[in-house]
Amino acid sequence: SQTIHQWPATLVQPVGSPLSLECTVEGTSNPNLYWYRQAAGRGLQLLFYSVGIGQISSEVPQNLSASRPQDRQFILSSKKLLLSDSGFYLCAWSEGNQPQHFGDGTRLSIL
Amino acid sequence: EDQVTQSPEALRLQEGESSSLNCSYTVSGLRGLFWYRQDPGKGPEFLFTLYSAGEEKEKERLKATLTKKESFLHITAPKPEDSATYLCAVQAGGGYQKVTFGTGTKLQVIP
Repeated sequence: SQTIHQWPATLVQPVGSPLSLECTVEGTSNPNLYWYRQAAGRGLQLLFYSVGIGQISSEVPQNLSASRPQDRQFILSSKKLLLSDSGFYLCAWSEGNQPQHFGDGTRLSIL
Repeated sequence: EDQVTQSPEALRLQEGESSSLNCSYTVSGLRGLFWYRQDPGKGPEFLFTLYSAGEEKEKERLKATLTKKESFLHITAPKPEDSATYLCAVQAGGGYQKVTFGTGTKLQVIP
């Protein structure tokens, strides 16, 4: 069966510091991968999606970037964090048009 | 632009008191409608996919239905462990599997 791992679970970072969040999927090949941000009282906002290695599409302009160095690895990065980058970050995967399945998220707090 | 509106925002039920959650949507060519359950501090957990008007899916005390404009999640004789936020999402037709999420209904079941 397929599993998704996302880490760390929580992270506290100072403003201006770099960021790297990692997500890996097991039990599937060539999945679609997604990064979302969820703010309190708001729906999930799609940040990036990828349909293959090295193929990244951005949904909204922002201070973040994503990379997919391996088939089942998706990384969310920033060179300099802003206060507005605080939030709950979720990684998800899907096969084709099948439902997306989510990791347990990273709670990011910027001080 | 695809839109998903969920109501009510919050719902408090007594244990055993049945009710329904609503998801209204506007989408160009519905490919699928998804229901998820999200517990605090966790990622959404997939529950159901509905593909066409008239379709119904059931799982334990939950039953999801779909019309051309909305979906309902019926909860029969809920228990405290059903307390969670329930998210609705729609997937439009086209080559990319973008999913638009609603902001959710927070359900609290009181013993």
